[in-house]
Amino acid sequence: QKEVEQNSGPLSVPEGAIASLNCTYSDRGSQSFFWYRQYSGKSPELIMFIYSNGDKEDGRFTAQLNKASQYVSLLIRDSQPSDSATYLCAVNIVSSGSARQLTFGSGTQLTVLP
Amino acid sequence: EPEVTQTPSHQVTQMGQEVILRCVPISNHLYFYWYRQILGQKVEFLVSFYNNEISEKSEIFDDQFSVERPDGSNFTLKIRSTKLEDSAMYFCASSKVTGGTGELFFGEGSRLTVL
Repeated sequence: QKEVEQNSGPLSVPEGAIASLNCTYSDRGSQSFFWYRQYSGKSPELIMFIYSNGDKEDGRFTAQLNKASQYVSLLIRDSQPSDSATYLCAVNIVSSGSARQLTFGSGTQLTVLP
Repeated sequence: EPEVTQTPSHQVTQMGQEVILRCVPISNHLYFYWYRQILGQKVEFLVSFYNNEISEKSEIFDDQFSVERPDGSNFTLKIRSTKLEDSAMYFCASSKVTGGTGELFFGEGSRLTVL
């Protein structure tokens, strides 16, 4: 059973602080890791993806991957109230190199307090 | 910016009725997917589609479900005889690259309510 685990939260941080979101996954064959943001009633929106161990930065967002620990995280610097949403961690295993199936975590609800 | 479009945005149906959800993937994408999200639960994979055939499907995607690409632009999900537990948001997604590392782009979803 391929699992992706996240703390459901809610996680509350003050405006301007760093929000840290964590995710663990069970399948060592996972190759690609994604963070999606989902506002209530809306579709998942891709924030970042990471494939290699280490850090990847994009603006206020940093994704961190540690394959040995099967752990991926997302840091949001200078958090804004507009960042308040549910953040979904998703991983995939490439099956036969022809298609991609994402396994999602249950999401962490983030609230940024003004 | 290209986007995945879905219709209808909301459909209400009676149990046992057939439902077709429609999607127009991004035009140069090669892979198409359906996911669903029951209210308050995880986003779940249903099926992937490539080169006019199903590539992968989950346990959820049983004989009541089917997908089709009837023309060069539309991608449809059919539920033959809806059940109450089919009530969910259904998301279509598409991706460009073969295997590897291409990301999925999701449509806005079709909310299905089965009464």
